[in-house]
Amino acid sequence: EVHLVESGGGLVKPGESLRLSCVASGFTFSTYAMTWVRQAPGKGLEWVSSISRSGDFKYSADSVQGRFTISRDNTKNSLYLQMNSLRAEDTAVYHCVRAPQGVIDRGDYWGQGTLVTVSS
Amino acid sequence: DIQMTQSPSSLSASVGDRVTITCRASQGIGHSLAWYQKEPGEVPKLLIYASSTLQSGVPSRFSGSGSGTDFTLTVYSLQPEDVATYYCQQYNSAPLTFGQGTKVEIK
Repeated sequence: EVHLVESGGGLVKPGESLRLSCVASGFTFSTYAMTWVRQAPGKGLEWVSSISRSGDFKYSADSVQGRFTISRDNTKNSLYLQMNSLRAEDTAVYHCVRAPQGVIDRGDYWGQGTLVTVSS
Repeated sequence: DIQMTQSPSSLSASVGDRVTITCRASQGIGHSLAWYQKEPGEVPKLLIYASSTLQSGVPSRFSGSGSGTDFTLTVYSLQPEDVATYYCQQYNSAPLTFGQGTKVEIK
């Protein structure tokens, strides 16, 4: 069974940093692209960033470009999101999502998410 | 960026009714369209991809259609467990974009 478990969320002040992690199990992690999607309180779903199977190709939303960096470690079955210069509008639940066919793709399995709150 | 516009933003229907949600893309995306169901407090669940392909395990009362810019999600015979917010998503090109969501309630 596919499992995606996120961690690393918390309460931080504007301008601070956080690193989210997602540990995958139940499938061969290195053969799937992965994505981060977030949902702010009371709002809809927003794509954040995606990474190819090997990690060679990365795409990010304009809203996080230059501040967030997606990465992965296939030896640890892990996906990461380094978030710098956090803003209040980054407050959201961040979901780790598996992309079954490519780096620009739908998401077939979603983790429960980790809450990031940016507030002074 | 490709904008995705869903309608309606919310609806209320009776158990057994047929419910239709539409999603319009600001430019053609072929069949690169997915639908998700998000129940309160739950993780988004992929219902349909490639515009009309039912994800494994999804009840057959869910159906998707469309291509290019206009897409439809139909729920034949609405059930109480279908109360949720439904989102469309295009994956034709980056940035991936979602519709704003359609909240479905039982009358």
